[in-house]
Amino acid sequence: GQNIDQPTEMTATEGAIVQINCTYQTSGFNGLFWYQQHAGEAPTFLSYNVLDGLEEKGRFSSFLSRSKGYSYLLLKELQMKDSASYLCAVLAGGSYIPTFGRGTSLIVHP
Amino acid sequence: KAGVTQTPRYLIKTRGQQVTLSCSPISGHRSVSWYQQTPGQGLQFLFEYFSETQRNKGNFPGRFSGRQFSNSRSEMNVSTLELGDSALYLCASSLGGSPGQGTHEQYFGPGTRLTVT
Repeated sequence: GQNIDQPTEMTATEGAIVQINCTYQTSGFNGLFWYQQHAGEAPTFLSYNVLDGLEEKGRFSSFLSRSKGYSYLLLKELQMKDSASYLCAVLAGGSYIPTFGRGTSLIVHP
Repeated sequence: KAGVTQTPRYLIKTRGQQVTLSCSPISGHRSVSWYQQTPGQGLQFLFEYFSETQRNKGNFPGRFSGRQFSNSRSEMNVSTLELGDSALYLCASSLGGSPGQGTHEQYFGPGTRLTVT
């Protein structure tokens, strides 16, 4: 099976930087996704990492270390609209389907 | 390109009834996955269809079933509804290639909010 851990909740200040961590234990690894989900809405794709390193996309960056079973999502210049749940999902074991973590609820305050 | 659509958006049913939910994937996407999302359990995978065949299945009872049509549209059916089935049901589509090809980026529909009373 797979085990994916993320913090349940984080708070940060508008304009700041926040790092949301995700650790996983899995047999086989075919990639890791980050999704953003606003309350009452569907998850939206943010990033996909399959190789070690940092992928930058505007204010959002995602990092992966396969040897450590670790990823993080970095959000810079936080805005109030970034308040949402951030889901880490791992594609592993030859499966076509990602397994989702419980998500991290990020609250951005003024 | 139109996104994933789901109908209906909201549904209220009583215990014992059955329900059918519909999902239309992004044009060209052959894989459709269904998830149940509740505050306590997060996103739980139900099943995935690819080219009209169920390719993957999660750990849900047989009351939950689905199918996919030749145009990749998919339906999910829940029979003998229970109070615990109240949840947001999300459908996601992807190109559905082999693992590691990077074609598993999933695009989610808005979901169907099912309330069982």
